[in-house]
Amino acid sequence: NAGVTQTPKFRVLKTGQSMTLLCAQDMNHEYMYWYRQDPGMGLRLIHYSVGEGTTAKGEVPDGYNVSRLKKQNFLLGLESAAPSQTSVYFCASSLSDYYQYFGPGTRLLVL
Amino acid sequence: GIQVEQSPPDLILQEGANSTLRCNFSDSVNNLQWFHQNPWGQLINLFYIPSGTKQNGRLSATTVATERYSLLYISSSQTTDSGVYFCAVERTSGTYKYIFGTGTRLKVLA
Repeated sequence: NAGVTQTPKFRVLKTGQSMTLLCAQDMNHEYMYWYRQDPGMGLRLIHYSVGEGTTAKGEVPDGYNVSRLKKQNFLLGLESAAPSQTSVYFCASSLSDYYQYFGPGTRLLVL
Repeated sequence: GIQVEQSPPDLILQEGANSTLRCNFSDSVNNLQWFHQNPWGQLINLFYIPSGTKQNGRLSATTVATERYSLLYISSSQTTDSGVYFCAVERTSGTYKYIFGTGTRLKVLA
């Protein structure tokens, strides 16, 4: 099992550009999450999904959109990137609402 | 919203020493988890512990929900224990909205 994988690992964007981060899990988990981690801080929940075709807002959803068209994939989109979105993005999945498995993270720099 | 405070913010230990990390939360919670983030950024779930005590090898955790705190004990620390330890709480069960503390940064010296 690969567990939770994230693509890409690192990306540099210019302000106003768009991009999509891909999260994939091979554990047949129902629940998937996107977090951001800023320097010296804990994780903050952006969006989450409780099953294929569902999405919901987390703590800091503004400026992001998500889709869960397939159970194993959870996509995070930035339509118009801003420097405030420079962060490390973590995806996680879980079988229920606890014991989350995390991906390795995507480091995003917005210039 | 609920506040999650961790102490100490930084901790340096000699290999073999024991330590206690604390997580205080400002309101009642339904779920609590402890995570370890290694120096390379990887996050690992250590404990799911809304109440009571659990042990896993050299690590153990205790949550006293009525007094709104949780403790993580590390015994006989090793250099591989270095990293940041986070607690995260879920205010209402089933919301999936975990609030993370700012973490305790631990460095274990050989």
